[in-house]
Amino acid sequence: DTGVSQNPRHKITKRGQNVTFRCDPISEHNRLYWYRQTLGQGPEFLTYFQNEAQLEKSRLLSDRFSAERPKGSFSTLEIQRTEQGDSAMYLCASSLATGAPNEKLFFGSGTQLSVL
Amino acid sequence: AQKITQTQPGMFVQEKEAVTLDCTYDTSDQSYGLFWYKQPSSGEMIFLIYQGSYDEQNATEGRYSLNFQKARKSANLVISASQLGDSAMYFCAMIYNQGGKLIFGQGTELSVKP
Repeated sequence: DTGVSQNPRHKITKRGQNVTFRCDPISEHNRLYWYRQTLGQGPEFLTYFQNEAQLEKSRLLSDRFSAERPKGSFSTLEIQRTEQGDSAMYLCASSLATGAPNEKLFFGSGTQLSVL
Repeated sequence: AQKITQTQPGMFVQEKEAVTLDCTYDTSDQSYGLFWYKQPSSGEMIFLIYQGSYDEQNATEGRYSLNFQKARKSANLVISASQLGDSAMYFCAMIYNQGGKLIFGQGTELSVKP
């Protein structure tokens, strides 16, 4: 059973550069989530997709952030003109939507972004 | 607004002993779910246990059990017979309404001593 896969594991970039992360969910899962986690904090919701539709975006997601899930399978998260405050762990998760509160999210190992 | 509070930034436990990690939550919804995740140093969030708001019995998964006290809005995680591999960050989280996004607490760092 293949889990959620994220690439790259680590990304170091200079301020002002654009970066893109990829997430491959568990194959039969129709929901995909992006979370951001800073040191010493729990993950914070950024956005999620059901199939290819982006259903919700957090206020945390500025205009510099964009996420896509073009064919309802893998997803990409792009950050344009990176800032030092973007340094964080970006976690992807997937689930099979049940419409009930027992929906279990399965997480990847994350992409650690460092903006210099 | 929904909120999860974990008041223990760090905990120590001796190997083979039991430990309780605290979690309180705040919500006005009647239907919600509570989760515990483990995050080792590798970064991956590992699902441990789930409790539904309508479940009458406390959830158990192997060495993990959830002490659910609905009136007190608490959902404490109990780990029995701690192992060295249990050393990690532990996060309590809540999902509500139609499912979807989780709200996480700030986490508790558990250290198991040999």
